[in-house]
Amino acid sequence: DAKTTQPPSMDCAEGRAANLPCNHSTISGNEYVYWYRQIHSQGPQYIIHGLKNNETNEMASLIITEDRKSSTLILPHATLRDTAVYYCIVRVAYKLSFGAGTTVTVRA
Amino acid sequence: DAGITQSPRHKVTETGTPVTLRCHQTENHRYMYWYRQDPGHGLRLIHYSYGVKDTDKGEVSDGYSVSRSKTEDFLLTLESATSSQTSVYFCAISKQTSGFSYNEQFFGPGTRLTVL
Repeated sequence: DAKTTQPPSMDCAEGRAANLPCNHSTISGNEYVYWYRQIHSQGPQYIIHGLKNNETNEMASLIITEDRKSSTLILPHATLRDTAVYYCIVRVAYKLSFGAGTTVTVRA
Repeated sequence: DAGITQSPRHKVTETGTPVTLRCHQTENHRYMYWYRQDPGHGLRLIHYSYGVKDTDKGEVSDGYSVSRSKTEDFLLTLESATSSQTSVYFCAISKQTSGFSYNEQFFGPGTRLTVL
């Protein structure tokens, strides 16, 4: 399975867009990119996933580069409730593998 | 919310005692998972199930067993608890019905287990 690299932490101003990068240079053709987040002490929450095309839902947008070696999760208007650890995961089968993720702190 | 509950939510036990954690779902999904989360390790898969009586090991299965006698319940048992099994345990379900093209998992609220 492809490994992912994320920055350990980042800050974002409330109301601004938060852009979370993820590198997955060893991704193979049938592996999807998933994003989850975990708000303190709660179970992880699914955000979005994609294979090749950019995706958008009510929570976020996912931008995947054409070579699929990296992606960016965009939270369009960050709120204080978006403060969490964000996990970028690349996987093809049904077993997810969570790394350390990026701790995102949204500041007022 | 995918109708997932975990019990107990908190438990303190002593080394050497057996412990069973229960995960219950209300939507009859086929795939269920048990993870543990420890500082510095993220979430790690312990065991998973792909149907009634169909289970398999994850990356940290030593010291744990599971059972799934009916669709809605997935039990995690620590036969003889050790202090290294002090952790937060999360159950998850996957709503996919066939194929492995993607894996949207929904997680329960977690069980905080302390082994003294």
